[in-house]
Amino acid sequence: AQKVTQAQTEISVVEKEDVTLDCVYETRDTTYYLFWYKQPPSGELVFLIRRNSFDEQNEISGRYSWNFQKSTSSFNFTITASQVVDSAVYFCALSEALSGTYKYIFGTGTRLKVLA
Amino acid sequence: SQTIHQWPATLVQPVGSPLSLECTVEGTSNPNLYWYRQAAGRGLQLLFYSVGIGQISSEVPQNLSASRPQDRQFILSSKKLLLSDSGFYLCAWSVGVGNSPLHFGNGTRLTVT
Repeated sequence: AQKVTQAQTEISVVEKEDVTLDCVYETRDTTYYLFWYKQPPSGELVFLIRRNSFDEQNEISGRYSWNFQKSTSSFNFTITASQVVDSAVYFCALSEALSGTYKYIFGTGTRLKVLA
Repeated sequence: SQTIHQWPATLVQPVGSPLSLECTVEGTSNPNLYWYRQAAGRGLQLLFYSVGIGQISSEVPQNLSASRPQDRQFILSSKKLLLSDSGFYLCAWSVGVGNSPLHFGNGTRLTVT
């Protein structure tokens, strides 16, 4: 069965610090997709990145970077030099391509507070 | 470009009253449609999803139901609301078989009093 665990409920950092948000997933499928979303205080969910199970190459986009490790079933998200605007709830999600269920399962989210 | 509309943005309803939340998608055909609920301070719980007109899969047994009367319309309903139905309801769409990201509406904040 699908499961996504975000063990960090809330993290507080001071502006300009680096912060890593953890995501651990469980799946029986060999083909799956992982996602990160950002939910700012306004409530809408903003898609950040997708990674498929066959591509373990890490990705960097500006101050954001993602570390995908199949050996530990983790897909961690790092924000470098954090800013107040990064304050939000961040969700990790998993979908299984071969199960045919079209379901996206989300973790419980990590609330990031960046203090000025 | 594709857009998703969800309304109303906020809703206050008494216990025992009916509910109807509507979501429509523009700019894409045969999308997969989803209803999620986010309780205060909690994660996203998948309630229903649909891969086609009239096809509804329920994830959580409860007093809510969903319908998809048209290709790009998804409706969440209840005949009698409970206090525990309060939360933030999000509609989303995707295409493909789980390989594309979900795109979310702005959500409806429901308070049952």
